[in-house]
Amino acid sequence: DTGVSQDPRHKITKRGQNVTFRCDPISEHNRLYWYRQTLGQGPEFLTYFQNEAQLEKSRLLSDRFSAERPKGSFSTLEIQRTEQGDSAMYLCASSLQGLEAEQYFGPGTRLTVT
Amino acid sequence: TQLLEQSPQFLSIQEGENLTVYCNSSSVFSSLQWYRQEPGEGPVLLVTVVTGGEVKKLKRLTFQFGDARKDSSLHITAAQPGDTGLYLCAGARYGGSQGNLIFGKGTKLSVKP
Repeated sequence: DTGVSQDPRHKITKRGQNVTFRCDPISEHNRLYWYRQTLGQGPEFLTYFQNEAQLEKSRLLSDRFSAERPKGSFSTLEIQRTEQGDSAMYLCASSLQGLEAEQYFGPGTRLTVT
Repeated sequence: TQLLEQSPQFLSIQEGENLTVYCNSSSVFSSLQWYRQEPGEGPVLLVTVVTGGEVKKLKRLTFQFGDARKDSSLHITAAQPGDTGLYLCAGARYGGSQGNLIFGKGTKLSVKP
């Protein structure tokens, strides 16, 4: 299967700890996106990369959040000093370049901060 | 204020019934996608509509993009239990960021056998 993969699928952490999530996009896709989804809401955009360049960041992405895509392939999303409000599903998507490019999502990483 | 309003929020119907869900906005979108999401999983892309007035069919699902590219609808004919899920519409805003898909809150559909 060559779809978008995410690891881990579930993460439980204590408040104040750091967590890192990984996303592997569809291999020929040069764009990679991170979204966050909380219960009863649609996904909300966090940031996106074109190749290794981070082209846009949402105001939702506080200083505690950082994302990288060092070689233009997989990406990591790190949350430092986690808070209970960070509990959510973190979704990764990838696409080809273009205004009407379709975004394909991974299965998500469910984060629970206790 | 939600940029994309979906209605209804919840829909519970019997197998075999028809239904329509709506996605409305005051903004113009260059394209609009429909996704279905199962609990604990990521959204799965169903269709992309690009041209105003466009109609696309996917088996029993019919998608329409409004003439002004501000709204869309999804019609399901003869719903089946396998259609159960959260249906999300998402738009790429015309003239907006190329990376930022804006999602509605979704319509949670339950089809009972």
